[in-house]
Amino acid sequence: DQQVKQNSPSLSVQEGRISILNCDYTNSMFDYFLWYKKYPAEGPTFLISISSIKDKNEDGRFTVFLNKSAKHLSLHIVPSQPGDSAVYFCAASEANNAGNMLTFGGGTRLMVKP
Amino acid sequence: NAGVTQTPKFRILKIGQSMTLQCTQDMNHNYMYWYRQDPGMGLKLIYYSVGAGITDKGEVPNGYNVSRTTTEDFPLRLELAAPSQTSVYFCASSRYLIGDTIYFGEGSWLTVV
Repeated sequence: DQQVKQNSPSLSVQEGRISILNCDYTNSMFDYFLWYKKYPAEGPTFLISISSIKDKNEDGRFTVFLNKSAKHLSLHIVPSQPGDSAVYFCAASEANNAGNMLTFGGGTRLMVKP
Repeated sequence: NAGVTQTPKFRILKIGQSMTLQCTQDMNHNYMYWYRQDPGMGLKLIYYSVGAGITDKGEVPNGYNVSRTTTEDFPLRLELAAPSQTSVYFCASSRYLIGDTIYFGEGSWLTVV
């Protein structure tokens, strides 16, 4: 039973356009959400996070939106760049816990075409 | 900037063999973790440690053992390798108990045949 789901295994976007990556969760106890980015042959790196007391968090070209009632979050990348091509993992936890309490989604592979 | 270093990067094991995945970090982090990632799946926690001498099971600990004798090192031992252990293994560490601070190693690709 996957508590965190990323239903789109891949996404292709033109350079300069918006990329929207989606994530759904089922556990209503989750109250902290993170996005990680992973390039081939590298480990995941932290990208952006959001607490459940907020509905939006922005960091440069990256914005995460949280809809608690729908148990849904999304990552927006504007404008998309070829260097953004990677696998993006959504993760969730109860409170801002470290790796021992994170539940990950299966990842979405983003391809940004020049 | 070494960060989290894992060895080996690639390994092929025969069923029933044993091996140790090495992990070391040079950031003086208290918390260390081992994850595995199967194709199309998210990362799943195998074991973690909150400090030298202290380890605990994660979500998928069966078939693995760990030890934490120093702050820097957190080796993962596979006993009696099985095909189900074919996966990519990631070691990670963090200074605090917050997810934003986790640093991952580059991964170790293990195939059991």
